[in-house]
Amino acid sequence: RKEVEQDPGPFNVPEGATVAFNCTYSNSASQSFFWYRQDCRKEPKLLMSVYSSGNEDGRFTAQLNRASQYISLLIRDSKLSDSATYLCAVKSRGYQKVTFGTGTKLQVIP
Amino acid sequence: DAGVTQSPTHLIKTRGQQVTLRCSPKSGHDTVSWYQQALGQGPQFIFQYYEEEERQRGNFPDRFSGHQFPNYSSELNVNALLLGDSALYLCASSLFPGQNYEQYFGPGTRLTVT
Repeated sequence: RKEVEQDPGPFNVPEGATVAFNCTYSNSASQSFFWYRQDCRKEPKLLMSVYSSGNEDGRFTAQLNRASQYISLLIRDSKLSDSATYLCAVKSRGYQKVTFGTGTKLQVIP
Repeated sequence: DAGVTQSPTHLIKTRGQQVTLRCSPKSGHDTVSWYQQALGQGPQFIFQYYEEEERQRGNFPDRFSGHQFPNYSSELNVNALLLGDSALYLCASSLFPGQNYEQYFGPGTRLTVT
């Protein structure tokens, strides 16, 4: 089983739609969780950290479910500019290594 | 605020050659991590440097080595290049250990091995 797994998509959604991505992780000692956005042939950009209580940043909401070992990202009112690949990343306690999923591709359609 | 910078942007090398990639961390950061991203994959952790020492290493052979300088900048060296080393090489900077361990990536170096 991969350490971090994501549905590669693509998710094709119309503008204005709400879309959600999940990311599962296998190491129960995982401590820190992140969502990154990566545009084609560009570097990943930190979208948000994911906190135990869940957190929101504008149209984006991140949730953590430790019992089921997954994190989620909800995007409301999708914009064309949201089209990108969304990577989840996980860091385990006591280690410096951050493990990334393969990413979920989102395409927002006019 | 200076972000993470990397050089060169692109590089073409031949099998068996050696390559050196460079990274300067974001202002105020002291830790540099290197990642390899193959097409269609997520970034794979190579190693991390803090206080001029390698702190942790991923599943990469000894052909991959690095260095960190007193000004926190870093180099990634790859010897005896293989075709499979063709990838985007990303440098990420952060604070060590950092409560949230948020990393910020540079634009990457795209390496092509022919």
